[in-house]
Amino acid sequence: KAGVTQTPRYLIKTRGQQVTLSCSPISGHRSVSWYQQTPGQGLQFLFEYFSETQRNKGNFPGRFSGRQFSNSRSEMNVSTLELGDSALYLCASNPAENTGELFFGEGSRLTVL
Amino acid sequence: GQQVMQIPQYQHVQEGEDFTTYCNSSTTLSNIQWYKQRPGGHPVFLIQLVKSGEVKKQKRLTFQFGEAKKNSSLHITATQTTDVGTYFCAGPGDGNKLVFGAGTILRVKS
Repeated sequence: KAGVTQTPRYLIKTRGQQVTLSCSPISGHRSVSWYQQTPGQGLQFLFEYFSETQRNKGNFPGRFSGRQFSNSRSEMNVSTLELGDSALYLCASNPAENTGELFFGEGSRLTVL
Repeated sequence: GQQVMQIPQYQHVQEGEDFTTYCNSSTTLSNIQWYKQRPGGHPVFLIQLVKSGEVKKQKRLTFQFGEAKKNSSLHITATQTTDVGTYFCAGPGDGNKLVFGAGTILRVKS
């Protein structure tokens, strides 16, 4: 069974630009969560989607948004990029509706210049 | 909101020494999970503890869940270079989202 796939793996943007990251969960998994990982802040929860509905949202500004499609694939978007948005963005999928083991992708490493 | 605190932040041990990381929650947890992230990698699930006072072992790793279900620990016996990485605990927070501790970075000198 294929794991969680995230694209792109690496990207460089400049301040003010916007970026879209993609996540394909493990087949059959309907829950997708997004986390931002930085050396100083650890793993910070961004949002979680289940069956195309956002169920939870972390404490991030409105520049961070996401969505989930009917095939459970998810995208997250960050608009008006700031230097502080440089981070590893991790997507994780989960087969169930309740909190259980998360299966993480390799992440998308975003650098904002 | 719910907070999960983890100590120590960093530990450097000689190969063969033991290692322990501790996790404390500000609220009672229904369960606690542990993940390991190798350098340059992504977090990988190790275990989930559910019952009060639960102790589980995986080879050289021993996981404990406190009686009050507010704290947990991971102990590694006789560390090896393959144990290098960051160990995270995580518990359900508001709305059932998973809240991660800051992690303990383990380095092993051979």
